[in-house]
Amino acid sequence: DVKVTQSSRYLVKRTGEKVFLECVQDMDHENMFWYRQDPGLGLRLIYFSYDVKMKEKGDIPEGYSVSREKKERFSLILESASTNQTSMYLCASSFDRGYEQYFGPGTRLTVT
Amino acid sequence: GESVGLHLPTLSVQEGDNSIINCAYSNSASDYFIWYKQESGKGPQFIIDIRSNMDKRQGQRVTVLLNKTVKHLSLQIAATQPGDSAVYFCAEIHPYGGATNKLIFGTGTLLAVQP
Repeated sequence: DVKVTQSSRYLVKRTGEKVFLECVQDMDHENMFWYRQDPGLGLRLIYFSYDVKMKEKGDIPEGYSVSREKKERFSLILESASTNQTSMYLCASSFDRGYEQYFGPGTRLTVT
Repeated sequence: GESVGLHLPTLSVQEGDNSIINCAYSNSASDYFIWYKQESGKGPQFIIDIRSNMDKRQGQRVTVLLNKTVKHLSLQIAATQPGDSAVYFCAEIHPYGGATNKLIFGTGTLLAVQP
């Protein structure tokens, strides 16, 4: 079975802190994705990567950056956390150009 | 519990009944569709997919129907069980070009199964 793991299930940070969210997949997938999920807004794509060291902006990249130094790991970085970044963050990976994405359990981030 | 189910349309069904969850998609050029299930506290889980050259696809207890004329997708769950209670999302693939396609998610429907 494909396994996508995220470093934390719950995280509380203060405004202005730098935040790292880590995602690891064990299926040698080329593609990895970061989404945020908010009530009433569904899942929105922040960034994605289709290869090591490659990254592409999604629909809402502002305030975020990403890093993909190894194929299995995709990190989401909040350079200076703000309260409007309080959300559920979901990581996903896929083998075939974005078809059938496999999701991690999510990290619920609260910024106070 | 997680708040993903807030503000969502809700379908309430009796255990053992069939459920039909509907989804309208936006792009007539989308060529692939997926249904995901998200249980409380978990990430979305793949249920079934369908390509645009098909009208119907069946899985175990689930059937997806695609009507391209009206850009409508439905998920039918037979003999609904309490374990089916979750938020269900449809997603469409836009032919994005480049190395990776882009999934566009609907906002979801909360399925509540009454015992």
